[in-house]
Amino acid sequence: GIQVEQSPPDLILQEGANSTLRCNFSDSVNNLQWFHQNPWGQLINLFYIPSGTKQNGRLSATTVATERYSLLYISSSQTTDSGVYFCAARQGGSEKLVFGKGTKLTVNP
Amino acid sequence: DVKVTQSSRYLVKRTGEKVFLECVQDMDHENMFWYRQDPGLGLRLIYFSYDVKMKEKGDIPEGYSVSREKKERFSLILESASTNQTSMYLCASSPPGGGKFYEQYFGPGTRLTVT
Repeated sequence: GIQVEQSPPDLILQEGANSTLRCNFSDSVNNLQWFHQNPWGQLINLFYIPSGTKQNGRLSATTVATERYSLLYISSSQTTDSGVYFCAARQGGSEKLVFGKGTKLTVNP
Repeated sequence: DVKVTQSSRYLVKRTGEKVFLECVQDMDHENMFWYRQDPGLGLRLIYFSYDVKMKEKGDIPEGYSVSREKKERFSLILESASTNQTSMYLCASSPPGGGKFYEQYFGPGTRLTVT
C-alpha cells in the first residue's frame, strides 16, 4: 500500500517566523488532506488538496501530484499554531486514508 | 458544517469491563472509521464501515468489535477491556471513496483509561 512520510518530525519556532512542512507519498493519490491536532486531541481539517494550491489565511498548501509531495506553509506563526500536523493520503479504489507520523510544531512566544 | 460527535471525552474503566464508545455524524456519510492514537505510533485504523451493517477490519482489530445499525451511528466495543487498550480513540466519517469530494472529518476523541 501507499507510504506517507512527513518531515521534519519536530519543529520549534519563534512567534512570527514562517515554516514549511513536507509530506511525501509513495504512489499516485486521489485525495490528500492536512490536519492540525489541537492540544485537546481533536483533528481539525486544514486542507483537502489532491493537487494544486490553496490558501486559508496564514496557511497555504501545495500538492504536486506528479512528483508525489505536498507542502504546508505557515506564515507569521502564532503560539496557537502549536500542535501536531498530519498529512494523509488515499489511493483510488480505497476507502481509507493512510496517515503520516506527523510534524510536532512548537511556537514559542 | 460537518459534525462528528463522540459520547465521552474522558472515560475510566476497569479491566474486564465491557466498554462502548459511540460516534454520531450528521452529514449522511456512508463511511465511518474508528482509530486509536498512541504516542510514537501515530493513528492506526481499528475498523471501518462503508454502509449500515457492513464493516471491514483495519490494521489492529484484535480485541475490538463494531456495530453500525443506523447510518449516522458507529459504535466501538471493547468486549473485555485490558490495560493495553488505554489510548485516545478517534472516530471519523467521510463520503464514499468513489465520489469526487472524499474528505474525512473527525470527532473530538475519547481518552480511555483502563485500570
